[in-house]
Amino acid sequence: GENVEQHPSTLSVQEGDSAVIKCTYSDSASNYFPWYKQELGKRPQLIIDIRSNVGEKKDQRIAVTLNKTAKHFSLHITETQPEDSAVYFCAASTGGNQFYFGTGTSLTVIP
Amino acid sequence: GAVVSQHPSRVICKSGTSVKIECRSLDFQATTMFWYRQFPKQSLMLMATSNEGSKATYEQGVEKDKFLINHASLTLSTLTVTSAHPEDSSFYICSASSGRKGNEQYFGPGTRLTVT
Repeated sequence: GENVEQHPSTLSVQEGDSAVIKCTYSDSASNYFPWYKQELGKRPQLIIDIRSNVGEKKDQRIAVTLNKTAKHFSLHITETQPEDSAVYFCAASTGGNQFYFGTGTSLTVIP
Repeated sequence: GAVVSQHPSRVICKSGTSVKIECRSLDFQATTMFWYRQFPKQSLMLMATSNEGSKATYEQGVEKDKFLINHASLTLSTLTVTSAHPEDSSFYICSASSGRKGNEQYFGPGTRLTVT
């Protein structure tokens, strides 16, 4: 089955700096890659996603890049704010709807 | 749109008893629902996938006789933890997909299960 690895597990940045989280996947058939933000005790919230026919997608301060050849994708958050502090999960899906999640990155934005 | 609810939000039960958790899609029909388990500070582990009207597909290592899943309608799936043990204590989250927007899944708020 699919194996998704995520790095780093923890990340601290100063407010205003950028944060980058990277994920790799093993199944070349995966074609959908969502990113979720989860605050403590709450449900994961979709923040951005990318499909395999696109190399990059941007939504305001958040962007995701995908390298299909290398089987990795990354989340980029620019101009970080304290409210960006949360746990971020990447996931990969082959289109059969099953999501396989990365291990999560705990992001702390220091004011 | 795309709201998913879960009930109860928290439950405490005694070892050996069974607990049922409900997952509902409130404003859309969920052709597929998923059940995840999450330990503190860890990732979401997919337990099973259920399609309305058919048997759930369990991930490797998940005991189907212990975690009973029923997807009786397009808006309701239930997870029953049978003969619960303290090691079953965890955060259980469901998600639902209408199948219309590709792979998108919408998550419920989760259920915190504590087995004493």
